[in-house]
Amino acid sequence: SQTIHQWPATLVQPVGSPLSLECTVEGTSNPNLYWYRQAAGRGLQLLFYSVGIGQISSEVPQNLSASRPQDRQFILSSKKLLLSDSGFYLCAWSNSLYEQYFGPGTRLTVT
Amino acid sequence: RKEVEQDPGPFNVPEGATVAFNCTYSNSASQSFFWYRQDCRKEPKLLMSVYSSGNEDGRFTAQLNRASQYISLLIRDSKLSDSATYLCVVGNYQLIWGAGTKLIIKP
Repeated sequence: SQTIHQWPATLVQPVGSPLSLECTVEGTSNPNLYWYRQAAGRGLQLLFYSVGIGQISSEVPQNLSASRPQDRQFILSSKKLLLSDSGFYLCAWSNSLYEQYFGPGTRLTVT
Repeated sequence: RKEVEQDPGPFNVPEGATVAFNCTYSNSASQSFFWYRQDCRKEPKLLMSVYSSGNEDGRFTAQLNRASQYISLLIRDSKLSDSATYLCVVGNYQLIWGAGTKLIIKP
């Protein structure tokens, strides 16, 4: 069966510091991968998606970037965090354009 | 108009009651529809897909009305464990997420 891992679970970072969140998927090959952000009390905002190694599509221009160095690894990064980057970051995978399955998420607080 | 709209609630419902939520969408070309459940401070989990003919999974029934562009979720005999936020998701080439409806089941 498929499993998706995300780490860390929680993170507190000062404004201006860098960020690296990692997501890995097991039990499937060539998945579509997604990064979402959910602000408190809000819906999910798609940040990036990838249909293959090195292929990244950005949905929202901002100070975040994503990379997919391996088939089942997806990384979200920032060079300098802003207060507005606080939120719940979720990685998801799918094998189609349809159902998506989420990792446990990383709760980021920028102070 | 938002692409996917849900009543944020909360819906406060006594245990054992039946509760229904609707979700409206703006893109008539949408092809895929889902309900997800999200517990507090947890990731969303797929509850059920919504098919044109409607579908049922135990106490949960989902229906699609293409003419009026909404989907619905009905929960029968509600349990305390049904308390969560229910997210409506609509897709064409990409999934669009509603902000969710909060459901609180009270003993």
